[in-house]
Amino acid sequence: DADVTQTPRNRITKTGKRIMLECSQTKGHDRMYWYRQDPGLGLRLIYYSFDVKDINKGEISDGYSVSRQAQAKFSLSLESAIPNQTALYFCATKRGGSTGELFFGEGSRLTVL
Amino acid sequence: AQSVTQLGSHVSVSEGALVLLRCNYSSSVPPYLFWYVQYPNQGLQLLLKYTSAATLVKGINGFEAEFKKSETSFHLTKPSAHMSDAAEYFCAVSANAGGTSYGKLTFGQGTILTVHP
Repeated sequence: DADVTQTPRNRITKTGKRIMLECSQTKGHDRMYWYRQDPGLGLRLIYYSFDVKDINKGEISDGYSVSRQAQAKFSLSLESAIPNQTALYFCATKRGGSTGELFFGEGSRLTVL
Repeated sequence: AQSVTQLGSHVSVSEGALVLLRCNYSSSVPPYLFWYVQYPNQGLQLLLKYTSAATLVKGINGFEAEFKKSETSFHLTKPSAHMSDAAEYFCAVSANAGGTSYGKLTFGQGTILTVHP
């Protein structure tokens, strides 16, 4: 089983719909992240969380929200999806205090029509 | 502030040829530097990382990278390409500030490596 699991892996939705992407991890890491990947742009940070009570905006948080339900779970929501949120979304985890290595899930591909 | 520039969005080599993927960074504090690889339909996995120890870093699958502070570069190389190396490669930087890192990696745009028989 994967250490970082994302669901769903693929989702097609319509403009204006609410979407939730879920992430769970079994690595015991305290830090969790959501990134968005677009062709030619690399990965950009949406939100990150150092623990259950600590949530921080990344560089592209507009239009997104997150919830850290437990140390092992971090979900990303699009309250009202729009077509330019069509992208590949990655959840990642990291142990606090280490030298910065992230462990990634396999990604959730979202298409907004 | 930190940023990464990967020179060349696509690199094509023949099997057995040298692989060179270029990465230049900008950071206001000493950096940690990383190379990640992404195979089709998979997440990113770490190839190697520089964390202020040896400047020549060896990673998995025969890849290595050299940290050159004077050139602000961290180019990825492999002496002999294999078909299985075809993937997208990402360079990333994070701040090494006071021995801690928030894990806020800043990624380059990615380089797609194609290996021809």
